[in-house]
Amino acid sequence: AQSVTQLGSHVSVSEGALVLLRCNYSSSVPPYLFWYVQYPNQGLQLLLKYTSAATLVKGINGFEAEFKKSETSFHLTKPSAHMSDAAEYFCAVSGIGANSKLTFGKGITLSVRP
Amino acid sequence: DAGITQSPRHKVTETGTPVTLRCHQTENHRYMYWYRQDPGHGLRLIHYSYGVKDTDKGEVSDGYSVSRSKTEDFLLTLESATSSQTSVYFCAISEGLAEQFFGPGTRLTVL
Repeated sequence: AQSVTQLGSHVSVSEGALVLLRCNYSSSVPPYLFWYVQYPNQGLQLLLKYTSAATLVKGINGFEAEFKKSETSFHLTKPSAHMSDAAEYFCAVSGIGANSKLTFGKGITLSVRP
Repeated sequence: DAGITQSPRHKVTETGTPVTLRCHQTENHRYMYWYRQDPGHGLRLIHYSYGVKDTDKGEVSDGYSVSRSKTEDFLLTLESATSSQTSVYFCAISEGLAEQFFGPGTRLTVL
């Protein structure tokens, strides 16, 4: 069984401030981990993924995430928020088998204040 | 962007009517998925397919059926729509060991 916890439903930061979105996972097998972003009225777009290579993963738009097995965490960060980062962010976990399915967290809405 | 289209993009229907949503891909990916997105629930898997005519249930499959007669098309059917099935529906594709690519979504309202 696998699950994802994204604490809180909304995060607000000022433009230029650090973005930190938390994700904790539970998995009975070594996981693959993903962060997706969803802009209003659009589908989900992959930001970055961890697939058992480097624990620090860099993604698009300046985002990165670090896999910490001891903490079962995969937090998403960006050093300096832009207005265009305002969106909903989803963390997801899967197993590594061919028929493994994604399990999503409930999502976090990021607002960026000017 | 991955070649995934969904039709219709918006639909309003009445309780008790059948509804079919279509997902079409041009990527020749083996796996296809249907999710629903509801506030406070994230995305929940309805059904998925791992090949032509090979499908399986997800976590919220009650009231839904699917069919895949061709690699490129995956249909989601609500046999008798209910108000609880008002949602945004997303199709996704993958090659199984990699990330999933999502379509633009279909907003369904059941009155």
